Amino acid sequence: EAGVVQSPRYKIIEKKQPVAFWCNPISGHNTLYWYRQNLGQGPELLIRYENEEAVDDSQLPKDRFSAERLKGVDSTLKIQPAELGDSAVYLCASSPSSYEQYFGPGTRLTVT
Amino acid sequence: KQEVTQIPAALSVPEGENLVLNCSFTDSAIYNLQWFRQDPGKGLTSLLLIQSSQREQTSGRLNASLDKSSGRSTLYIAASQPGDSATYLCAVPPSGSARQLTFGSGTQLTVLP
Repeated sequence: EAGVVQSPRYKIIEKKQPVAFWCNPISGHNTLYWYRQNLGQGPELLIRYENEEAVDDSQLPKDRFSAERLKGVDSTLKIQPAELGDSAVYLCASSPSSYEQYFGPGTRLTVT
Repeated sequence: KQEVTQIPAALSVPEGENLVLNCSFTDSAIYNLQWFRQDPGKGLTSLLLIQSSQREQTSGRLNASLDKSSGRSTLYIAASQPGDSATYLCAVPPSGSARQLTFGSGTQLTVLP
């Protein structure tokens, strides 16, 4: 079984530039999560999707962050414009009907 | 608001030693608790999931216990190996939720050969 796929794995951009991350969850997993992980910290939830519906985006900074999950499968997380404080690892996870979450390798973003 | 604390933040042990990692959480009304492993530059790998009705789960050399009333969980690693070196994170759902996770900051484990 293929795991959660994320791309790119690494991204370096200058501040004020836009950036997008892509996630392909495990086939059949209806729930998809985006997390942000700062250095030395645990992941923090940004948004959770049930199929194509965003059911919890309370932690998503909506002034610059946006996300979508077309057809309830792949998802894209966008930041525009990026700030220095956005440097972090962005993790995608998916979950079947159980509560166990399966994580992708993450995208390491560096904003200079 | 659910808060998760992990102690110690870092741990270094010689190979072969048994060790215990600790996790505490503030809201005991949880649905489950998960332990994850994270290797440098990698995503998280689920190690064990304990349902709220369970007291422990075992997988190979790993044993996780859960004491909801005291808001604590421990991850016991037997006969540690250098390959066990990684960061170990525990996570619980936030208050009132079953399908989201609040993570601790992790314990960075180094097993010396």
